[in-house]
Amino acid sequence: SQQGEEDPQALSIQEGENATMNCSYKTSINNLQWYRQNSGRGLVHLILIRSNEREKHSGRLRVTLDTSKKSSSLLITASRAADTASYFCATDGETSGSRLTFGEGTQLTVNP
Amino acid sequence: GAGVSQSPSNKVTEKGKDVELRCDPISGHTALYWYRQSLGQGLEFLIYFQGNSAPDKSGLPSDRFSAERTGGSVSTLTIQRTQQEDSAVYLCASSLVGAGGLSPQYFGPGTRLTVL
Repeated sequence: SQQGEEDPQALSIQEGENATMNCSYKTSINNLQWYRQNSGRGLVHLILIRSNEREKHSGRLRVTLDTSKKSSSLLITASRAADTASYFCATDGETSGSRLTFGEGTQLTVNP
Repeated sequence: GAGVSQSPSNKVTEKGKDVELRCDPISGHTALYWYRQSLGQGLEFLIYFQGNSAPDKSGLPSDRFSAERTGGSVSTLTIQRTQQEDSAVYLCASSLVGAGGLSPQYFGPGTRLTVL
């Protein structure tokens, strides 16, 4: 079954706007991570939030975690054309060891 | 410092042939992971190595897939008798710790495998 599921699947916005992507998961987790992928190749780690944290910031990124709803959101503020990429959430489950379970991602397009 | 490297970056092979994909993790990282990503999809876990422990092979899709990690560093993923459905990008990642640790995984650029 799909552990991490992002929505929307695709998001198109104008430069300067904020972008919000959501992720839901099914089982208990140790932590949740967000990754970015350009052009279908290597992933870049963006931010990790622990299961006992509710919000975390890193530059223009803000991540929230609601373990009661088993959901997380990634907010990118003041978006730039260079933010265009696929964004994935990944969960490190309590019972899955350290293997990450990825969602299918959100394709973000930021138009200049 | 150097990140995770993978080779080859692209591999085209004929159905039925065997292929080997290589991963060099970040020096000092004890945990190493293989994932694969089909076109437009998320990542699918394949196998996980942690130190000298027995690897977690639970994600390998068939017995045609195997992987080893020599000397706790370099890893090779072998696919025997390749099939067209094996075509995907194979991604390797490493991290400092595994098993619920808080170290993020650092990914290599991947190997794009095409089986004709």
